Amino acid sequence: SQQGEEDPQALSIQEGENATMNCSYKTSINNLQWYRQNSGRGLVHLILIRSNEREKHSGRLRVTLDTSKKSSSLLITASRAADTASYFCATGNAGGTSYGKLTFGQGTILTVHP
Amino acid sequence: SQTIHQWPATLVQPVGSPLSLECTVEGTSNPNLYWYRQAAGRGLQLLFYSVGIGQISSEVPQNLSASRPQDRQFILSSKKLLLSDSGFYLCAWSAGLAREQYFGPGTRLTVT
Repeated sequence: SQQGEEDPQALSIQEGENATMNCSYKTSINNLQWYRQNSGRGLVHLILIRSNEREKHSGRLRVTLDTSKKSSSLLITASRAADTASYFCATGNAGGTSYGKLTFGQGTILTVHP
Repeated sequence: SQTIHQWPATLVQPVGSPLSLECTVEGTSNPNLYWYRQAAGRGLQLLFYSVGIGQISSEVPQNLSASRPQDRQFILSSKKLLLSDSGFYLCAWSAGLAREQYFGPGTRLTVT
């Protein structure tokens, strides 16, 4: 089964609003990563947060990680039409047969209306 | 800087035909290499990964195979395509396990 599950599946907002996407996972992780995918393109790495970190910022992106709840959130502030894309979380797994691999969730489709 | 290439960008193949997709990485040595498949509107499924020349780990049983004949070259193959092989195939590299991955532009495969 998928390790990361994003919520919501789709999000529609107006330009200038904030967008929040959530990710839950099931097993121990080394890190959690967020990626963006524009339609028909490859994925672009956005940010990596390690299991011993609680919050990380990169430009308009803010990621939080709560390992006790096995969840993470991605906040995009002051969204722009160019932020329209699918966003995936991926967990870097800490043990077992999935050690070292990334497991991707199903993604959140974000639409930002101008 | 590092770049990753995939070709072809799109491919339409009949059922039962062979397949060869190629991925090459520039600007780095001994990368970890990955093949993923993405069904429409879905997440990524890891198919194969490699941590070195000639070393391939298969994640799911299927009629696909992978090879790594050179350090920065990763090939995805099939002897006979099935309709279910249709999808968006992505190659990626990373500097180590569970590290950031960098993706190629993808190949859209349609099996008819």
